[in-house]
Amino acid sequence: DAGVTQSPTHLIKTRGQHVTLRCSPISGHKSVSWYQQVLGQGPQFIFQYYEKEERGRGNFPDRFSARQFPNYSSELNVNALLLGDSALYLCASSQRGFQNQPQHFGDGTRLSIL
Amino acid sequence: GQQLNQSPQSMFIQEGEDVSMNCTSSSIFNTWLWYKQDPGEGPVLLIALYKAGELTSNGRLTAQFGITRKDSFLNISASIPSDVGIYFCAGHGQNFVFGPGTRLSVLP
Repeated sequence: DAGVTQSPTHLIKTRGQHVTLRCSPISGHKSVSWYQQVLGQGPQFIFQYYEKEERGRGNFPDRFSARQFPNYSSELNVNALLLGDSALYLCASSQRGFQNQPQHFGDGTRLSIL
Repeated sequence: GQQLNQSPQSMFIQEGEDVSMNCTSSSIFNTWLWYKQDPGEGPVLLIALYKAGELTSNGRLTAQFGITRKDSFLNISASIPSDVGIYFCAGHGQNFVFGPGTRLSVLP
């Protein structure tokens, strides 16, 4: 069975641009979460979605937004990119919406801001 | 906000040795997860813990949910070269909070 898939794997943008990252959860998983991982640190929670509704939000500015589609896939959007947004963006899925369910991660999208 | 500390930050061990690492917080958590991350990949779930005092094994890995609910421990027995990587703990309060990781290097 396919795991969590993310696209693209790498992306280069310049300051001020916007970006859309995509995630497909494990088949049968209905919850998707997004994390930002800066080099040398652990992942930091951005959003959780379940059944197309936001179930949790981390301490990130409003430039970050996300949505979940009827097929449970998800997009993370970041507007007005800053140099500090350079990071590995990880998507994780879990079976249900209970927030403490184990998260299964994809391999991430490496975003570089020039 | 909630923060996790992991120790040691990094460790070098000989192949065959046992490894111990821990994760501590000033906050109480209701779930602890342990992950391993290899370069260029996402974290892979190793063990999940849901009750204070719970001890769970996964092959050569054993993890415990501390009785104070503010800490968790991971042990790896008889380390092998493929154990190399970064080990993260994650605690769940309102959302999952990850520690900064323990980098494990195994010397042949």
